[in-house]
Amino acid sequence: EAGVVQSPRYKIIEKKQPVAFWCNPISGHNTLYWYRQNLGQGPELLIRYENEEAVDDSQLPKDRFSAERLKGVDSTLKIQPAELGDSAVYLCASSLRAGVSYNEQFFGPGTRLTVL
Amino acid sequence: GENVEQHPSTLSVQEGDSAVIKCTYSDSASNYFPWYKQELGKRPQLIIDIRSNVGEKKDQRIAVTLNKTAKHFSLHITETQPEDSAVYFCAAKSPRPGNTPLVFGKGTRLSVIA
Repeated sequence: EAGVVQSPRYKIIEKKQPVAFWCNPISGHNTLYWYRQNLGQGPELLIRYENEEAVDDSQLPKDRFSAERLKGVDSTLKIQPAELGDSAVYLCASSLRAGVSYNEQFFGPGTRLTVL
Repeated sequence: GENVEQHPSTLSVQEGDSAVIKCTYSDSASNYFPWYKQELGKRPQLIIDIRSNVGEKKDQRIAVTLNKTAKHFSLHITETQPEDSAVYFCAAKSPRPGNTPLVFGKGTRLSVIA
């Protein structure tokens, strides 16, 4: 079974440029998460989807970040315009259904973003 | 919302010794506590988890203990090996509506010295 797939793995851009990350969750997983992981820190949730609905986006900086999961499967996270402080690893994760208490989250390999 | 504190931030042990990482959480309703291992440049992977209805769980050289009264849980690794070197994250999940499903600690960088 394929795991969570993310692309690209690495991205280097100049500040003020736009950037997009793509994630394909494990087949059958209804819940999809986008996390940001700064160097030396734990993952911090940006947004959580239940199918195509964003049910928790309280940590998403909505002035420059946006996300979509139109068909309830793969998802795209966008930053426009990027700032120096956005440099981090962006992790996607999926689980069967967040409403069930003990669902393991499976992480993708992440996209390492460097903003120059 | 939930807040998870993790200590220590770095830990060095000799091969064969034990390592202990401790976490505290703030929401007494939290009921699920996973531990993730993240090797350099790789994704976090679940290594063990514990639910609030048990106090201890073991899986070979890894064990986790939970003290609900004190709101803390710990990861114990015995007979450490160089391949145990990684960053370990604890996390806590609260079932309260509207809460972030999983809140992570800041991580512990474990170095096992051969």
